[in-house]
Amino acid sequence: QVVESGGGLVQPGGSLRLSCSVSGFTFTNYAMHWVRQAPGKGLEYVSSISSDGGDTYYADSVKGRFTISRDNSKNTLYLQMSSLRREDTALYYCVKCHAPARLPPPGYGMDVWGQGTTVTVSS
Amino acid sequence: QSALTQPRSVSGSPGQSVTISCTGTSPDVGGYNYVSWYQHPPGKAPKLIIYDVNTRPPGVPDRFSGSKSGNTASLTISGLQAEDEADYYCCSYAGSYTWVFGGGTKLTVL
Repeated sequence: QVVESGGGLVQPGGSLRLSCSVSGFTFTNYAMHWVRQAPGKGLEYVSSISSDGGDTYYADSVKGRFTISRDNSKNTLYLQMSSLRREDTALYYCVKCHAPARLPPPGYGMDVWGQGTTVTVSS
Repeated sequence: QSALTQPRSVSGSPGQSVTISCTGTSPDVGGYNYVSWYQHPPGKAPKLIIYDVNTRPPGVPDRFSGSKSGNTASLTISGLQAEDEADYYCCSYAGSYTWVFGGGTKLTVL
């Protein structure tokens, strides 16, 4: 399972770091994603990271502002968010790739989702 | 990275079949056979029900099936059950290790 934490209320322009604690599978074998859902909206891909943390990928909407990372010794995934905007307000999900691979496999889907952590950007 | 287009809502009676479409473009849905579908009940975590266009993970009933033609993928749910009521999202690989989701479809079982 995956359990997200770190969400909260932050002012526009502020920063926040989300964490995702993982258990029940060999974390080091899997690339991971962050996906978000704004209130009343659909799911939106945010970012991905390779199993060893050496390769990272971002949606255009967060590129340059968000940084994904992982600590395999702690079975934890992170999302450092800076220069936050009101449109970043969302429930943020930590998601596991379905298939083991170093890089996020284009196929196979995303098979383990957490309950999410809520980020609210407001003054 | 525009969202894939899904109908806002669909409905059906128990036992009937419904199909949810997911329309993208050549760089995403049309360019790869890497479409997945997720069932998202209110207040719960999304669940993977179809990957690679038409493959079901273990434990997903064969009432759920997927297909694709050109830039449009489809999810068909046959033998509708009350427990199928949820939001459904498609997702496609969009190249360069990025993905794009659909806007979601609310399924109502009448």
